[in-house]
Amino acid sequence: EPEVTQTPSHQVTQMGQEVILRCVPISNHLYFYWYRQILGQKVEFLVSFYNNEISEKSEIFDDQFSVERPDGSNFTLKIRSTKLEDSAMYFCASSHTGDLISTDTQYFGPGTRLTVL
Amino acid sequence: AQTVTQSQPEMSVQEAETVTLSCTYDTSESDYYLFWYKQPPSRQMILVIRQEAYKQQNATENRFSVNFQKAAKSFSLKISDSQLGDAAMYFCAQGRRDDKIIFGKGTRLHILP
Repeated sequence: EPEVTQTPSHQVTQMGQEVILRCVPISNHLYFYWYRQILGQKVEFLVSFYNNEISEKSEIFDDQFSVERPDGSNFTLKIRSTKLEDSAMYFCASSHTGDLISTDTQYFGPGTRLTVL
Repeated sequence: AQTVTQSQPEMSVQEAETVTLSCTYDTSESDYYLFWYKQPPSRQMILVIRQEAYKQQNATENRFSVNFQKAAKSFSLKISDSQLGDAAMYFCAQGRRDDKIIFGKGTRLHILP
């Protein structure tokens, strides 16, 4: 069964450094998402992406964040200058093939655990 | 605004017994979807079950079923014949077509052998 993959599984970085989290969505999906989950808290929406542009972003997704689909397979989340409070699990998700019979279920990747020291 | 409320932070159930996890939600949308996701210790998010709001019939997936009460905006998850592998954090969530998912705070389910 197709699945969303994410790399790395765990990223440790120093405060102020830039990190890029990578995701490979399910190949024929058209909608892509990033969520984050601070330890012990609920999963929060960051940003959605469709047709090579951001569809929606949350208040969390400020100027230090950016997303990109540099080629036909990868979907990346860049955090420009990491802060201690960016430490969290980051989930990528994808959905919808565009077919009329396609479901809108979002399939989540296994997550990248980001630790900012 | 869309909200999801899970009032049970933790629950326990004896192995092989049945347990029901509660969830209420609020939305002004007429077309939406409801989900239950399971998050084991690995922290991966696994879809357990999905319900389209326009469907009156409750969704079922093997040992998992929901009780969807649209007027009451209630969406509970029933797990029958609980197994040790069911131990996890369970998140209730809602979303619209091609849109973000809003999650509740989760219910941690313990399975007692």
